[in-house]
Amino acid sequence: AQSVAQPEDQVNVAEGNPLTVKCTYSVSGNPYLFWYVQYPNRGLQFLLKYITGDNLVKGSYGFEAEFNKSQTSFHLKKPSALVSDSALYFCAVRDGNDMRFGAGTRLTVKP
Amino acid sequence: NAGVMQNPRHLVRRRGQEARLRCSPVKGHSHVYWYRQLPEEGLKFMVYLQKENIIDESGMPKERFSAEFPKEGPSILRIQQVVRGDSAAYFCASSPPAADTQYFGPGTRLTVL
Repeated sequence: AQSVAQPEDQVNVAEGNPLTVKCTYSVSGNPYLFWYVQYPNRGLQFLLKYITGDNLVKGSYGFEAEFNKSQTSFHLKKPSALVSDSALYFCAVRDGNDMRFGAGTRLTVKP
Repeated sequence: NAGVMQNPRHLVRRRGQEARLRCSPVKGHSHVYWYRQLPEEGLKFMVYLQKENIIDESGMPKERFSAEFPKEGPSILRIQQVVRGDSAAYFCASSPPAADTQYFGPGTRLTVL
């Protein structure tokens, strides 16, 4: 079965600094990988996905993620964090009809 | 364009009562997914439905839980005889056919007293 892991429960960065939210995956075959963001009292919002093609995927709100096959990672990145980026971030992998999510990483961006 | 709608946003039930959670997918989306998010945990897949069909219910508890997506109207997740352990946020997502991206609703937060 496919799975993803988010090794950090919490990431803290200062506004204006680059941010990275980590995700590693375990799949058989080609992975379909996703990042979602959840703001307080809101549903999840799609940020970006990797299906095939370029390893660097660009998504919403200035986020990007790099697919690294050798390290089985799909880390979410942003060059310059905003306070409004503070939220819960979920990495996910599609497994047939199922979407398997990581436990989530809470990102806090401090002014 | 309206996104995925879920209602109610908050639902309080006493133990033993029934909970009905509704999900209206994005217009034109024929696939609906239900997930449960327990406090401090990630999302867990429950069930995948297309119009009038349950495609995959491998994540549904064997008892008390059921889901439907009728030809007309919203998808319904029904929990009978709720227990405190059912307290969670329940998210619905929809997608068009043959698409990978799922669009999520705002969730229904169920509290069982």
